[in-house]
Amino acid sequence: GAVVSQHPSRVICKSGTSVKIECRSLDFQATTMFWYRQFPKQSLMLMATSNEGSKATYEQGVEKDKFLINHASLTLSTLTVTSAHPEDSSFYICSALNGGASTDTQYFGPGTRLTVL
Amino acid sequence: GESVGLHLPTLSVQEGDNSIINCAYSNSASDYFIWYKQESGKGPQFIIDIRSNMDKRQGQRVTVLLNKTVKHLSLQIAATQPGDSAVYFCAERTGANNLFFGTGTRLTVIP
Repeated sequence: GAVVSQHPSRVICKSGTSVKIECRSLDFQATTMFWYRQFPKQSLMLMATSNEGSKATYEQGVEKDKFLINHASLTLSTLTVTSAHPEDSSFYICSALNGGASTDTQYFGPGTRLTVL
Repeated sequence: GESVGLHLPTLSVQEGDNSIINCAYSNSASDYFIWYKQESGKGPQFIIDIRSNMDKRQGQRVTVLLNKTVKHLSLQIAATQPGDSAVYFCAERTGANNLFFGTGTRLTVIP
């Protein structure tokens, strides 16, 4: 099946710093990628939809200037958490839509655990 | 977003028994539904999907049932194994390709 990777898998940073998370589709091209956030014991919340070569579409309540998304190629999307604060600590998960597949399945990455001190 | 909960319902079953996990979705316009399995510290793993023009779909040891009248989705796991212990999420597609996840259910299999 299609594989999606994320890097790093775990990051700890100081308050006020910025953190970049990469999401890669390893064996398919993804014109659309999604970024989710998951707090402990809660469901996944869609943050934004990332389309290759265009601006990301953010869900209501998600600050686009704080969560910068770049989808510069068909296999890579990045999420940068700018000026991170402890309340940004969460599990960030990306998914990619296999545009070449006959189904609409989103393939999820393994997630990135962000801890802001 | 769609239905999102603040705590996880739990389900405990004996190894070898069948499990039924339920999900109520909120958008009657949703046309595609997916069940995901999420183990601790990992991303969701696709289990099975179903489109709104169907009411049942079977996979290996899993069956998904869709009742559009009451906006209800269920996942049945046959002969549940310890490796099935995880959190299970249903997701509904609204709009182009956006998925919205349900609350999730924690399944614990008792050996």
